[in-house]
Amino acid sequence: QVQLVQSGAEVKKPGSSVKVSCKASGGTFSSYAISWVRQAPGQGLEWMGRVIPTLGIANYAQKLQGRVTVTADKSTSTAYMELRSLRSEDTAVYYCARAQYYYDRSGNLRFEAIDIWGQGTMVTVSS
Amino acid sequence: DIQMTQSPSSLSASVGDRVTITCQASQDISNYLNWYQQKPGKAPKLLIYDASNLETGVPSRFSGSGSGTDFTFTISSLQPEDIATYYCQQYDNLPTTFGGGTKVEIK
Repeated sequence: QVQLVQSGAEVKKPGSSVKVSCKASGGTFSSYAISWVRQAPGQGLEWMGRVIPTLGIANYAQKLQGRVTVTADKSTSTAYMELRSLRSEDTAVYYCARAQYYYDRSGNLRFEAIDIWGQGTMVTVSS
Repeated sequence: DIQMTQSPSSLSASVGDRVTITCQASQDISNYLNWYQQKPGKAPKLLIYDASNLETGVPSRFSGSGSGTDFTFTISSLQPEDIATYYCQQYDNLPTTFGGGTKVEIK
């Protein structure tokens, strides 16, 4: 069974950057997209962006466009999320999560449900 | 962005009760709707995909229904281990968006 194992907690200063990793243990990224979802303390879930390692495609939430980059290294089955110009509002648990993709009859790229999540990485932004 | 309106935001019910949560999308999302369970300090867990399909290994007391804009999630007989927050999620369009969550407690 594939597991997504994330890097450890981070404490950062406002204005700095953070890079969180997510390694697929027991499997690869073949036919999967890796999304990043964050959850501020006591709040709901917010999708940040996703990367499709085998296609080299990345999509981002408009709200974070320009501050976030998601990448993946197929050779090590590891995905990364970098968030720049950190603010106190970025304090949250950051999750990576996997969803399988496929092509429908019209040749459109479609996605299955997010079915596996990493354990989460707490990022605290504080001066 | 597609807005997902989930209700109620919290509920309290007795063990054995039937619990129902609703989720309304701001536009037609067909059946591209999932339900997740999140326990404190843990990652979300997929329970229902494509509006009504039970994920492998999930107890049959959980079910989902609906299509288009209106969806329902049901726990047929609430168990103590079901205490959690439940989220709906649409994945018809990017960005994928989540409902605000429903916190389920035992009365």
